[in-house]
Amino acid sequence: AQSVTQLDSHVSVSEGTPVLLRCNYSSSYSPSLFWYVQHPNKGLQLLLKYTSAATLVKGINGFEAEFKKSETSFHLTKPSAHMSDAAEYFCVVSERNTDKLIFGTGTRLQVFP
Amino acid sequence: EPEVTQTPSHQVTQMGQEVILRCVPISNHLYFYWYRQILGQKVEFLVSFYNNEISEKSEIFDDQFSVERPDGSNFTLKIRSTKLEDSAMYFCASKKFFGPGTRLTVL
Repeated sequence: AQSVTQLDSHVSVSEGTPVLLRCNYSSSYSPSLFWYVQHPNKGLQLLLKYTSAATLVKGINGFEAEFKKSETSFHLTKPSAHMSDAAEYFCVVSERNTDKLIFGTGTRLQVFP
Repeated sequence: EPEVTQTPSHQVTQMGQEVILRCVPISNHLYFYWYRQILGQKVEFLVSFYNNEISEKSEIFDDQFSVERPDGSNFTLKIRSTKLEDSAMYFCASKKFFGPGTRLTVL
């Protein structure tokens, strides 16, 4: 069965410094992986997705993620954090053939001025 | 850009009452989903719907829950007799795209 593990429940950074949100996956086949962002009291917005094309995936708002099969990782990064990036971030894996999504437990990103 | 819409945005109900949460998915998509997120917890899969029938459901989706697509556009989630623990955000999804959610509060 597919699963994802988000290694940090909370990450705090200063504005303008890099962001790293870590995610490891478990899958018996080449997975489809996603990052979603949820701002307070808002819905789930798709940041980016990996579907076996380029291993470095660029998303919205300057975020990107790199698929590393050897490390079974799909970490989310951003070179320079902005105050508006403060939110909950979910790493997600998709079930094959059904589009059913399996969510990680989330990482809360705080950005300090 | 097409989007998933949900109504109402917030529903307050008394324990034991029936609620119906509504969704309008993206029109040319074939798979639809309901997920829920209890406050402070992760998003959990409830049910998937394909070709006008349930294709998969989780353990959470017991006999109190039902889904249907009564017409060509709406996709509904019904909870027959709500419990306190049903309080959560309920998200409808059309493939990878989520609606804004309905916050259900059971008193």
